Amino acid sequence: AQSVTQLGSHVSVSEGALVLLRCNYSSSVPPYLFWYVQYPNQGLQLLLKYLSGSTLVKGINGFEAEFNKSQTSFHLRKPSVHISDTAEYFCAVSDKTSYDKVIFGPGTSLSVIP
Amino acid sequence: GAVVSQHPSRVICKSGTSVKIECRSLDFQATTMFWYRQFPKQSLMLMATSNEGSKATYEQGVEKDKFLINHASLTLSTLTVTSAHPEDSSFYICSARDTRVNTEAFFGQGTRLTVV
Repeated sequence: AQSVTQLGSHVSVSEGALVLLRCNYSSSVPPYLFWYVQYPNQGLQLLLKYLSGSTLVKGINGFEAEFNKSQTSFHLRKPSVHISDTAEYFCAVSDKTSYDKVIFGPGTSLSVIP
Repeated sequence: GAVVSQHPSRVICKSGTSVKIECRSLDFQATTMFWYRQFPKQSLMLMATSNEGSKATYEQGVEKDKFLINHASLTLSTLTVTSAHPEDSSFYICSARDTRVNTEAFFGQGTRLTVV
């Protein structure tokens, strides 16, 4: 069975600062990893995904994440956050055998302070 | 990318009534769709897997008779919340996979259900 943990249910940072959102996964097979963003009362938007290949993945809105197999991590970061990045962020995992059955982490609420 | 549309985006219903939520893949065919439920300030929990032309597969703890799923065509799955109660109030999101892409599921915009 697959699972995802996200350290820190709430993160507050100042505008322009670096933000790091942590994600660790558990999977018995090579994983597919995703980060989604959810703005209040809206659906999910895919930020980026790791399927294979380069461990550093660049996504939309200046976000990037690095897959670390040995640490079973897929942390998300952005060098300089904007107020508009305030949202809920979900790390998720699936795999080649059930790649559309996505298991979500508990989420991290990011607040960007002016 | 592929587009998944949910309708309605918001619905308010009275206790005891049934509510139907539609999930449509607009520009691709989806043999499999998924239904998730999200309580306030919590993560998305998979409820069931909807398979075109066959019965849905429900996750443990999800009442089949309470949450009826129908996947009658390759572009439409419906979730019906029967005899709704206030505790069924939640955010429901569906997803569907584009078999042409084969790497990710695309999510609808969600439906906010409020039972009064």
